[in-house]
Amino acid sequence: QPELRESGPKVVKSSETLALTCSVSGGAFNSYSWTWIRQSAAKGLEWIGRVYSDGNTHYTASLAGRVTMSVDTSRRQFSLNVTSVTAADTALYFCVGRNILTGRDYWGQGTLVTVSS
Amino acid sequence: QSVLTQSPSVSAAPGQRVTISCSGSRSNIGRFPVSWYQQLPGTAPKVLTYDDDKRPSGIPDRFSASKSGTSATLAITGLQTGDEADYFCGTWDDSLSALLFGGGTKLTVL
Repeated sequence: QPELRESGPKVVKSSETLALTCSVSGGAFNSYSWTWIRQSAAKGLEWIGRVYSDGNTHYTASLAGRVTMSVDTSRRQFSLNVTSVTAADTALYFCVGRNILTGRDYWGQGTLVTVSS
Repeated sequence: QSVLTQSPSVSAAPGQRVTISCSGSRSNIGRFPVSWYQQLPGTAPKVLTYDDDKRPSGIPDRFSASKSGTSATLAITGLQTGDEADYFCGTWDDSLSALLFGGGTKLTVL
């Protein structure tokens, strides 16, 4: 089963780009879809989108236009970029792997990203 | 307000049984499998059940889940103080084309 770990800056300036990477160890990489979820007091758990091992992506409508996800199967990593961030993007960001066959999730520990003015 | 509706809080005494409900619609719970998560303070959500009623290895059988129509239920028996946490349901929604989560239910073990 996979273990996931988020990495990236913990503070991002307003209007700049939030960039996070998730490194995956264990598990058959192509057997999962790779998802980003964030959690804030204001919005609770919020699904941002997912990327498949073939690069296909699906984003939540509320963030489409600002979100880009990519995957690097050789490095067993996937990434999240959110442009033009505001204070509303301050949240705990989780990377999650979902087994395509079973639907079972595997969560990273999460990383708190704060947008500063 | 979440599309998946959960009661904000529930409480019970140690050793007792508690149920947590998640109410949705035909475009989400009525059509797609539901997962339940436990989140202890300062930690990531932990999968308690998935695919409506399946438990990952290592999850005690005190935790069980079911689904009927457009509602899902998590039951916890033999409550322990360590079960105090926030519990979330989650499933796909066809209308919104997004993964949704309930607002969470805070369990207090008195």
